[in-house]
Amino acid sequence: AQKITQTQPGMFVQEKEAVTLDCTYDTSDPSYGLFWYKQPSSGEMIFLIYQGSYDQQNATEGRYSLNFQKARKSANLVISASQLGDSAMYFCAMREGGNSGGSNYKLTFGKGTLLTVNP
Amino acid sequence: SAVISQKPSRDICQRGTSLTIQCQVDSQVTMMFWYRQQPGQSLTLIATANQGSEATYESGFVIDKFPISRPNLTFSTLTVSNMSPEDSSIYLCSVEAGAAEQFFGPGTRLTVL
Repeated sequence: AQKITQTQPGMFVQEKEAVTLDCTYDTSDPSYGLFWYKQPSSGEMIFLIYQGSYDQQNATEGRYSLNFQKARKSANLVISASQLGDSAMYFCAMREGGNSGGSNYKLTFGKGTLLTVNP
Repeated sequence: SAVISQKPSRDICQRGTSLTIQCQVDSQVTMMFWYRQQPGQSLTLIATANQGSEATYESGFVIDKFPISRPNLTFSTLTVSNMSPEDSSIYLCSVEAGAAEQFFGPGTRLTVL
């Protein structure tokens, strides 16, 4: 079974509108961390936001917020007020067994969602 | 945060040759990670490199094909040996900078002819 599932191969949004990118995960480990990355066409991986499994509140970083629903094992990324520069590939990733920095730092990635922001 | 640089940024190589990719971090880190991203695909971990010990390889990756060095806490190299067109990928190194942050280098875009 896939550990990280991103069901939207592509998404379109109008500039200045909000968009939600879906991510569900599968783990039996009570301690884990969830990450979102942005990959523009240049290929670099830009870290956006992190959510720990024991965090009580949803993570936020500027225009990015993470809608963490632990019981449903979902960690959707919400981008508010989309900008043309947000057009990129977005990857959700999970690190198991390392909520606060443990012995296993490996990230498992989903297949990604290609976001296109239209003017 | 950690600033990571990689060399080369891109290269075009002939089948059967080898390429060594360098990864430099601006701070000392315990573990460095090497990932591969094949065209149109997601990232897959190749190996984890700890300073002073042998790298740990993921299933499907072997040391003879992807030898790794980790001579100190700020530097690592990944060699792609005896290359074939199937090795054409982006290769990225990554480090953890605190429990809630994991950063990537800019990547090396490799094309094998």
